[in-house]
Amino acid sequence: QKEVEQNSGPLSVPEGAIASLNCTYSDRGSQSFFWYRQYSGKSPELIMSIYSNGDKEDGRFTAQLNKASQYVSLLIRDSQPSDSATYLCAVSYTSGTYKYIFGTGTRLKVLA
Amino acid sequence: GAVVSQHPSRVICKSGTSVKIECRSLDFQATTMFWYRQFPKQSLMLMATSNEGSKATYEQGVEKDKFLINHASLTLSTLTVTSAHPEDSSFYICSALPAGTDIQYFGAGTRLSVL
Repeated sequence: QKEVEQNSGPLSVPEGAIASLNCTYSDRGSQSFFWYRQYSGKSPELIMSIYSNGDKEDGRFTAQLNKASQYVSLLIRDSQPSDSATYLCAVSYTSGTYKYIFGTGTRLKVLA
Repeated sequence: GAVVSQHPSRVICKSGTSVKIECRSLDFQATTMFWYRQFPKQSLMLMATSNEGSKATYEQGVEKDKFLINHASLTLSTLTVTSAHPEDSSFYICSALPAGTDIQYFGAGTRLSVL
Protein backbone atom coordinates (compact mmCIF):
# COMPACT_ATOMS: atom_id res chain seq x y z
CA GLN A 1 0.00 0.00 0.00
CA LYS A 2 1.58 3.24 -1.19
CA GLU A 3 1.23 5.98 1.39
CA VAL A 4 1.87 9.69 1.68
CA GLU A 5 1.64 11.16 5.14
CA GLN A 6 1.21 14.72 6.30
CA ASN A 7 0.36 16.29 9.61
CA SER A 8 -3.22 17.53 9.26
CA GLY A 9 -2.60 20.62 11.38
CA PRO A 10 -3.75 23.28 11.65
CA LEU A 11 -0.32 24.85 11.55
CA SER A 12 -0.59 28.43 12.74
CA VAL A 13 2.16 30.94 12.00
CA PRO A 14 2.23 34.72 12.39
CA GLU A 15 2.30 36.90 9.31
CA GLY A 16 5.85 37.31 8.01
CA ALA A 17 7.13 34.09 9.54
CA ILE A 18 8.36 30.97 7.78
CA ALA A 19 5.86 28.13 7.48
CA SER A 20 7.34 24.65 7.24
CA LEU A 21 5.20 21.83 5.85
CA ASN A 22 6.36 18.24 5.85
CA CYS A 23 5.50 15.07 3.98
CA THR A 24 6.78 11.50 4.07
CA TYR A 25 6.15 8.78 1.53
CA SER A 26 6.48 5.03 1.52
CA ASP A 27 7.48 4.10 -2.04
CA ARG A 28 11.25 4.30 -2.53
CA GLY A 29 10.74 4.10 -6.28
CA SER A 30 8.82 7.37 -6.50
CA GLN A 31 10.45 9.87 -8.83
CA SER A 32 8.26 12.95 -8.88
CA PHE A 33 6.95 15.04 -6.03
CA PHE A 34 4.49 17.90 -6.01
CA TRP A 35 3.04 20.49 -3.70
CA TYR A 36 -0.47 21.77 -4.36
CA ARG A 37 -2.41 24.45 -2.54
CA GLN A 38 -6.15 24.07 -2.04
CA TYR A 39 -8.34 26.86 -0.78
CA SER A 40 -11.56 25.85 0.92
CA GLY A 41 -14.17 24.82 -1.63
CA LYS A 42 -11.73 25.09 -4.54
CA SER A 43 -9.66 22.63 -6.51
CA PRO A 44 -5.90 22.17 -6.05
CA GLU A 45 -3.44 24.45 -7.79
CA LEU A 46 0.19 23.52 -8.39
CA ILE A 47 2.81 25.33 -6.35
CA MET A 48 5.94 23.36 -7.14
CA SER A 49 7.32 20.14 -8.48
CA ILE A 50 10.63 18.61 -7.43
CA TYR A 51 12.49 15.63 -8.79
CA SER A 52 16.07 15.72 -7.41
CA ASN A 53 17.48 15.69 -3.91
CA GLY A 54 18.09 19.13 -2.49
CA ASP A 55 16.29 22.43 -2.59
CA LYS A 56 14.26 24.09 -5.29
CA GLU A 57 13.24 27.71 -4.87
CA ASP A 58 10.45 29.65 -6.57
CA GLY A 59 9.74 33.06 -5.12
CA ARG A 60 8.71 32.70 -1.49
CA PHE A 61 8.45 28.93 -1.81
CA THR A 62 11.23 26.38 -1.36
CA ALA A 63 10.70 22.67 -1.81
CA GLN A 64 13.17 20.25 -0.26
CA LEU A 65 13.56 16.61 -1.20
CA ASN A 66 15.49 13.87 0.58
CA LYS A 67 14.94 10.56 -1.17
CA ALA A 68 17.09 8.61 1.29
CA SER A 69 14.79 9.68 4.12
CA GLN A 70 11.69 9.58 1.89
CA TYR A 71 10.86 13.08 2.94
CA VAL A 72 9.74 16.18 1.07
CA SER A 73 9.00 19.57 2.59
CA LEU A 74 7.74 22.99 1.60
CA LEU A 75 8.92 26.22 3.16
CA ILE A 76 6.93 29.40 2.74
CA ARG A 77 8.87 32.54 3.59
CA ASP A 78 7.24 35.80 4.61
CA SER A 79 3.92 34.05 5.10
CA GLN A 80 0.84 36.08 4.25
CA PRO A 81 -2.78 35.65 5.36
CA SER A 82 -3.55 34.79 1.72
CA ASP A 83 -1.34 31.72 2.11
CA SER A 84 -3.90 30.27 4.52
CA ALA A 85 -5.06 27.09 2.80
CA THR A 86 -4.59 23.35 2.81
CA TYR A 87 -1.30 22.19 1.29
CA LEU A 88 -1.34 18.82 -0.39
CA CYS A 89 1.73 16.73 -1.00
CA ALA A 90 1.52 14.42 -4.01
CA VAL A 91 3.86 11.64 -5.03
CA SER A 92 3.77 9.97 -8.41
CA TYR A 93 4.18 6.34 -9.11
CA THR A 94 3.54 4.00 -11.97
CA SER A 95 1.70 0.75 -11.45
CA GLY A 96 0.29 -0.13 -14.81
CA THR A 97 -0.82 3.46 -15.18
CA TYR A 98 0.75 6.69 -14.02
CA LYS A 99 -0.95 8.24 -11.00
CA TYR A 100 -0.50 10.46 -7.96
CA ILE A 101 -0.97 9.53 -4.35
CA PHE A 102 -2.05 12.52 -2.30
CA GLY A 103 -1.43 13.11 1.35
CA THR A 104 -4.32 14.21 3.52
CA GLY A 105 -3.03 17.77 3.48
CA THR A 106 -1.85 20.22 6.11
CA ARG A 107 -4.07 23.14 6.93
CA LEU A 108 -2.04 26.33 7.28
CA LYS A 109 -3.32 29.41 9.07
CA VAL A 110 -1.34 32.62 8.76
CA LEU A 111 -2.35 35.01 11.50
CA ALA A 112 -2.45 38.72 10.69
CA GLY B 1 -0.11 27.73 -18.17
CA ALA B 2 -2.22 24.68 -18.83
CA VAL B 3 -5.95 25.33 -18.42
CA VAL B 4 -8.53 22.71 -17.59
CA SER B 5 -12.20 23.58 -17.78
CA GLN B 6 -14.77 21.61 -15.82
CA HIS B 7 -18.54 21.95 -16.09
CA PRO B 8 -20.88 22.30 -14.39
CA SER B 9 -19.42 23.86 -11.26
CA ARG B 10 -22.41 22.91 -9.20
CA VAL B 11 -25.34 20.59 -9.74
CA ILE B 12 -28.30 19.67 -7.60
CA CYS B 13 -30.32 16.67 -8.69
CA LYS B 14 -32.96 14.29 -7.46
CA SER B 15 -32.12 10.81 -6.29
CA GLY B 16 -32.19 8.32 -9.14
CA THR B 17 -31.21 10.72 -11.89
CA SER B 18 -27.94 10.76 -13.82
CA VAL B 19 -25.48 13.62 -13.95
CA LYS B 20 -22.78 14.25 -16.54
CA ILE B 21 -19.65 16.23 -15.76
CA GLU B 22 -17.32 17.45 -18.51
CA CYS B 23 -13.60 18.04 -18.30
CA ARG B 24 -11.79 19.81 -21.12
CA SER B 25 -8.16 20.69 -21.64
CA LEU B 26 -8.30 24.08 -23.34
CA ASP B 27 -4.76 24.72 -24.53
CA PHE B 28 -3.13 21.31 -24.66
CA GLN B 29 -3.81 17.73 -25.57
CA ALA B 30 -4.24 15.30 -22.73
CA THR B 31 -3.88 11.62 -23.43
CA THR B 32 -4.61 10.98 -19.76
CA MET B 33 -7.19 12.54 -17.49
CA PHE B 34 -8.03 11.67 -13.92
CA TRP B 35 -11.21 11.84 -11.90
CA TYR B 36 -11.12 12.44 -8.16
CA ARG B 37 -13.71 12.69 -5.42
CA GLN B 38 -13.27 14.69 -2.27
CA PHE B 39 -15.50 14.51 0.78
CA PRO B 40 -15.48 17.36 3.33
CA LYS B 41 -12.25 17.67 5.28
CA GLN B 42 -10.72 14.72 3.44
CA SER B 43 -8.08 14.47 0.77
CA LEU B 44 -8.54 13.74 -2.90
CA MET B 45 -9.36 10.15 -3.67
CA LEU B 46 -8.58 8.94 -7.17
CA MET B 47 -11.60 7.31 -8.74
CA ALA B 48 -10.31 6.43 -12.19
CA THR B 49 -7.72 7.13 -14.83
CA SER B 50 -9.09 7.96 -18.25
CA ASN B 51 -7.06 7.37 -21.38
CA GLU B 52 -8.12 8.67 -24.77
CA GLY B 53 -9.62 5.98 -26.93
CA SER B 54 -9.55 3.23 -24.32
CA LYS B 55 -11.48 2.07 -21.31
CA ALA B 56 -10.92 3.86 -18.04
CA THR B 57 -8.98 2.20 -15.24
CA TYR B 58 -10.96 2.31 -12.02
CA GLU B 59 -9.53 2.28 -8.52
CA GLN B 60 -10.49 -0.48 -6.15
CA GLY B 61 -13.94 0.04 -4.69
CA VAL B 62 -15.17 2.39 -7.43
CA GLU B 63 -18.14 0.98 -9.34
CA LYS B 64 -17.49 1.32 -13.04
CA ASP B 65 -21.15 0.84 -13.92
CA LYS B 66 -22.13 3.69 -11.64
CA PHE B 67 -19.41 6.11 -12.61
CA LEU B 68 -19.20 6.00 -16.40
CA ILE B 69 -16.15 7.60 -17.93
CA ASN B 70 -15.72 8.46 -21.59
CA HIS B 71 -12.55 9.95 -23.05
CA ALA B 72 -13.52 10.38 -26.66
CA SER B 73 -10.92 12.93 -27.69
CA LEU B 74 -7.56 14.31 -26.61
CA THR B 75 -9.26 17.28 -24.97
CA LEU B 76 -12.45 15.92 -23.45
CA SER B 77 -13.33 13.41 -20.77
CA THR B 78 -16.76 13.00 -19.20
CA LEU B 79 -17.89 11.42 -15.94
CA THR B 80 -21.50 10.34 -15.66
CA VAL B 81 -22.85 9.52 -12.22
CA THR B 82 -25.71 7.14 -12.92
CA SER B 83 -28.71 6.70 -10.65
CA ALA B 84 -27.28 9.17 -8.18
CA HIS B 85 -28.02 8.78 -4.49
CA PRO B 86 -27.46 11.15 -1.58
CA GLU B 87 -24.27 9.31 -0.61
CA ASP B 88 -22.83 10.30 -4.02
CA SER B 89 -22.97 13.95 -2.96
CA SER B 90 -19.38 15.14 -3.07
CA PHE B 91 -16.86 17.39 -4.77
CA TYR B 92 -15.74 15.82 -8.05
CA ILE B 93 -12.53 17.11 -9.59
CA CYS B 94 -10.87 16.23 -12.86
CA SER B 95 -7.27 16.71 -13.84
CA ALA B 96 -5.39 16.42 -17.10
CA LEU B 97 -1.85 15.40 -17.90
CA PRO B 98 -0.29 17.25 -20.85
CA ALA B 99 1.55 14.93 -23.19
CA GLY B 100 5.21 14.63 -22.30
CA THR B 101 4.87 15.94 -18.75
CA ASP B 102 4.08 14.46 -15.37
CA ILE B 103 2.25 17.42 -13.89
CA GLN B 104 -1.50 17.21 -13.41
CA TYR B 105 -3.56 20.35 -13.89
CA PHE B 106 -6.91 20.46 -12.19
CA GLY B 107 -10.32 21.63 -13.23
CA ALA B 108 -12.31 23.87 -10.89
CA GLY B 109 -14.38 20.96 -9.61
CA THR B 110 -18.06 20.09 -9.56
CA ARG B 111 -20.05 20.11 -6.37
CA LEU B 112 -22.77 17.49 -6.64
CA SER B 113 -25.71 17.52 -4.26
CA VAL B 114 -28.19 14.66 -4.55
CA LEU B 115 -31.51 15.25 -2.81
